[in-house]
Amino acid sequence: NAGVTQTPKFQVLKTGQSMTLQCAQDMNHEYMSWYRQDPGMGLRLIHYSVGAGITDQGEVPNGYNVSRSTTEDFPLRLLSAAPSQTSVYFCASSYSQGISYEQYFGPGTRLTVT
Amino acid sequence: AQSVAQPEDQVNVAEGNPLTVKCTYSVSGNPYLFWYVQYPNRGLQFLLKYITGDNLVKGSYGFEAEFNKSQTSFHLKKPSALVSDSALYFCAVRPTPGTGGYNKLIFGAGTRLAVHP
Repeated sequence: NAGVTQTPKFQVLKTGQSMTLQCAQDMNHEYMSWYRQDPGMGLRLIHYSVGAGITDQGEVPNGYNVSRSTTEDFPLRLLSAAPSQTSVYFCASSYSQGISYEQYFGPGTRLTVT
Repeated sequence: AQSVAQPEDQVNVAEGNPLTVKCTYSVSGNPYLFWYVQYPNRGLQFLLKYITGDNLVKGSYGFEAEFNKSQTSFHLKKPSALVSDSALYFCAVRPTPGTGGYNKLIFGAGTRLAVHP
C-alpha cells in the first residue's frame, strides 16, 4: 500500500491564483481530512469528510473548498490564494469516524503565496 | 472552548535519561487522547492513544503515556531517551460523542524534543 499520497510537494502561487492540492489513499478509509500546519499553532483542521459525497467544515475553512466524489480522493481547492494561506498542508485518513482509529498522514505540501 | 495545551515549546534531555513531554486538555466528557510524532520534512506518525481502561498506555518506539483524569493531563514519557527520538511531538484530543466536534481532532501546538548525546 502507498498509504496517503499528496501532490505536489512544493508549490509557489501568486496572490489571486487558484490551485488544487491532491490527496489520495489506498486503504479504503472512510474518513479523510485536511490540516494546515503553521509554526507555534500545531495543526488546524480545514475540512473533513466521513465518506464519499459527505464533507464538513473544520476550524479554518475560509478560502478553501473540498469535494469527495470517491472513497480514495479528497482534493483541496484554494479559490483565490492569499499570503495568509502560506503554510504546510497535510491530508490524513482513518478507518471510521465512529471509532477512534488513529489517523494516517500524507507527507505534506509546502505552499508559498507571494 | 475545547483545547489542548503543550506548555513547553522545547524539551532538552540527555541521551539515556528519562523524558517527559507534557499535555493538558480542556474537553468535556471523556475524550480520546493521542500522541503523534513528526520528524523533519515528514508527515505525522501515530505513537499511541488512550480510549478507556488502564491509565498507562504503551505505544511505538518505547514511548508510553499516562492519563490523569483529575488533572486532565496526558503526559508522554520514555524511560531512556535516544538521540533518534529528537522530533516534534503533538498531543491531540478527540471529543466524545454528543459533545460536539466528535469527528475532529484538536491538536496542541507541539513540543520539540531535543536529545543530546
